[in-house]
This record gives sequence, structure tokens and C-alpha cells, in this order.
Amino acid sequence: EIVLTQSPGTLSLSPGERATLSCRASQDVDYAYVAWYQQKPGQAPRLLIYGASSRAAGIPDRFSGSGSGTDFTLTVSRLEPEDFAVYYCQQYGNSPFTFGQGTKLEIK
Amino acid sequence: QLHLQESGPGLVKPSETLSLICAVSGGSISTTSHYWGWIRQSPGKGLEWIGSIYSDGVTYYNPSLEGRVTISVDTSKNQFSLKVNSVTAPDTGVYYCTRDTVKPTPTASDSWGQGILVNVSS
Repeated sequence: EIVLTQSPGTLSLSPGERATLSCRASQDVDYAYVAWYQQKPGQAPRLLIYGASSRAAGIPDRFSGSGSGTDFTLTVSRLEPEDFAVYYCQQYGNSPFTFGQGTKLEIK
Repeated sequence: QLHLQESGPGLVKPSETLSLICAVSGGSISTTSHYWGWIRQSPGKGLEWIGSIYSDGVTYYNPSLEGRVTISVDTSKNQFSLKVNSVTAPDTGVYYCTRDTVKPTPTASDSWGQGILVNVSS
């Protein structure tokens, strides 16, 4: 089973700033099948990025993903107030599919 | 627009079977471009993939659930279901049904139900 480790656990930033979230896998993820999700309190996760770098339908272009092998990154170029939430990475290239423990993006 | 809706008991006794249904509307479950799955979320384990099923009935399960899980599909009702046997307190959590796109490009879980809280307690 691939273990995903996200860092930092909590990221405190202000609106307008740039956020960089990291996801490291315990072994190479096949085909870079890494997804990123955003979750707000009381809601289901929402898919942001798939295939490490492709934006899901309707996702603003301030969200971008990159990476390959074991290291993946989600970047939010200019934070909007609605972006403060918990973010999870997931690998779906190797069964069982696994998630990171999450990064909480909070308002500074 | 696709809509997924979970239903089932919110309270299950230890050692009994947890049974949930996911009703799919706004699209057909009988598609070769997608598969249908279950993910749960608990404070202790975070997000955990339970398993997935194709419309032809082929299933994939998380080995961590030790063979206690069965996912099935009912194409006539456009729904799929989850059963977890011999539940214990760690099976408590919010259960989500999901749709994953596999063609033309695998996208992971691009549609989610709202989730249903299941509490395992006597």
C-alpha cells in the first residue's frame, strides 16, 4: 500500500497570497495518477486536480498541480476567501487507492 | 447533472451488517466510462477507499477491510450498494458514494454524494 504524507499539516496565509501544498508518496505512483480534493466543513470532498496536473471541470485556473514519481504539489496562485479549507491528495494508480492525511489551509 | 444520494440506517449495532444504497440520477449507471465506489471518513483514519464496482459487476476492494465488504450494482434501479459485515466501533464514520471516470482519462472521484453518517454502537 502506498502511504501519502502531506505537508504542512496546517498552512496559515492571507487572501491574495500563494499557497504551496506538498504530497509525498512512499513509492512511485503509476502514471502520476494523483488527485487533489478540497473539503469544507459539512461537505463532501470536491475534485480539483487529477492526473497530477489536470484541472477538473469548473475549477478556477488559480489552482494548479504538478509532480511525478513520489513528489506532488498543489499550488493556489492567489488565495480567495473561499479557498480556505482542508486539502487532500489521493493516489489512484495503485490499488488500494490511498489518501493523505490532509493539509488545513487557514486564514492568517 | 449527475446526482448521487446515499441512504441507509444511521445506527448499526456491533457485529451486525452495515447496509447502504447509493441512488444515481442524472445519468446512467450502465456505462463503460465510469465505475462506482464507496469512500468513508472517520476522525481516526481520515479518508479511506472502500472499493469500487463496474456496471458489469467487476469489483475491487481494499484489503484492509479483510473480506467484510460487498459492493453490488442494480442497473434496473440505477443504484449500487455497500454491505460491511461484522461491524465494530472503528467502522463508524461518514460514508460517501462516488463516481470515478475511467475513459477517456482516469480522473479519480469526480462526483460525490453528500455523505451519510453511520454510527456503530449498541
